Amino acid sequence: AQSVTQPDIHITVSEGASLELRCNYSYGATPYLFWYVQSPGQGLQLLLKYFSGDTLVQGIKGFEAEFKRSQSSFNLRKPSVHWSDAAEYFCAVVSRTGANNLFFGTGTRLTVIP
Amino acid sequence: DADVTQTPRNRITKTGKRIMLECSQTKGHDRMYWYRQDPGLGLRLIYYSFDVKDINKGEISDGYSVSRQAQAKFSLSLESAIPNQTALYFCATSDRGTQHFGDGTRLSIL
Repeated sequence: AQSVTQPDIHITVSEGASLELRCNYSYGATPYLFWYVQSPGQGLQLLLKYFSGDTLVQGIKGFEAEFKRSQSSFNLRKPSVHWSDAAEYFCAVVSRTGANNLFFGTGTRLTVIP
Repeated sequence: DADVTQTPRNRITKTGKRIMLECSQTKGHDRMYWYRQDPGLGLRLIYYSFDVKDINKGEISDGYSVSRQAQAKFSLSLESAIPNQTALYFCATSDRGTQHFGDGTRLSIL
């Protein structure tokens, strides 16, 4: 069965510092992977996605993620965090069942300190 | 205007009441989904629909029903609301594997 694990519930970084949010998946085949961001009171905004091809994926807002099949990981990175990046981040994988819904991790809440 | 619109944005109701959450989309996608989000649990699938005649249960459908009135509209109903259905509810559309979410409905059941 497919699953997504985000090991870090809460991360605090200083503004301007680099960021890496971890995501591990269990899938059994080549997954379709996503990162979404949820700001307080807002819906889910797609940051980036990986379907195939280049394993380093560029997204919006300066984010990137790298698919590593050997480690079953899809970690999200940003070289320099801005205060506006404070939000909750969700990693997700498309279901292998006919529903094609998303299986989500439990999320990582990012706090940015000045 | 938003591509996926959910109404209401917030709702407080009492145990035992019937409540409907509505979702409409202008993206022209056939596939629509309802999820609920609970703190620490991420999002879980309630129901999904591939067209107006194709509706399917998701992981946590008990206590919920849905109606696909048109390609653009997909409503979620709680026939008799209970407190553990207090959550943030999201509607989404899907096209070629990518899902697009509304802003959510925050539902509180007292």
